[in-house]
Amino acid sequence: QKEVEQNSGPLSVPEGAIASLNCTYSDRGSQSFFWYRQYSGKSPELIMSIYSNGDKEDGRFTAQLNKASQYVSLLIRDSQPSDSATYLCAVNRDDKIIFGKGTRLHILP
Amino acid sequence: DAGVIQSPRHEVTEMGQEVTLRCKPISGHDYLFWYRQTMMRGLELLIYFNNNVPIDDSGMPEDRFSAKMPNASFSTLKIQPSEPRDSAVYFCASSPDRGDQPQHFGDGTRLSIL
Repeated sequence: QKEVEQNSGPLSVPEGAIASLNCTYSDRGSQSFFWYRQYSGKSPELIMSIYSNGDKEDGRFTAQLNKASQYVSLLIRDSQPSDSATYLCAVNRDDKIIFGKGTRLHILP
Repeated sequence: DAGVIQSPRHEVTEMGQEVTLRCKPISGHDYLFWYRQTMMRGLELLIYFNNNVPIDDSGMPEDRFSAKMPNASFSTLKIQPSEPRDSAVYFCASSPDRGDQPQHFGDGTRLSIL
């Protein structure tokens, strides 16, 4: 089992709809969870971090964490064309972070 | 504040040549990470440093790769000799006080080995 698994996509979502991105991880000891956005040809940038079970909201973004199910998700409300990017799920293992391969999101105008 | 600075942005060289990638972390950040990103393997951690000391180099693919951090504001990743399969984007990242906290990435070096 891969440490951090994501569906590679592409995930196509109409503009204005909710985009839902999912991630599972294998290390039950993980305590820190992140979502990074990466535009084509650019570096990853942090958009959300979450450390405890439940939901965390920041503007149009909501991160959800369920440690019992080893599952973390990202919801993007009112999707915009500028949200089209690859979204990387990242999870700590001890003192470092392991990244998933990312989900490509395409917002349809 | 200046972010993580990497150089060069692009490097094209022939197989067998030595390649040196450079990174300046954000001032005050104690952790520095080197990553490699390819389509096939995604973003892989190669090595990371804490206070200039290498902590985990288990991701370094082979002996051709080496990394140093002579001081808090500079690190290098060297490949000698380079091979076509080393072609990738190499990112440097830093974080303030713990390795499992949010990391700030540089713009990356796109490396092509012919």
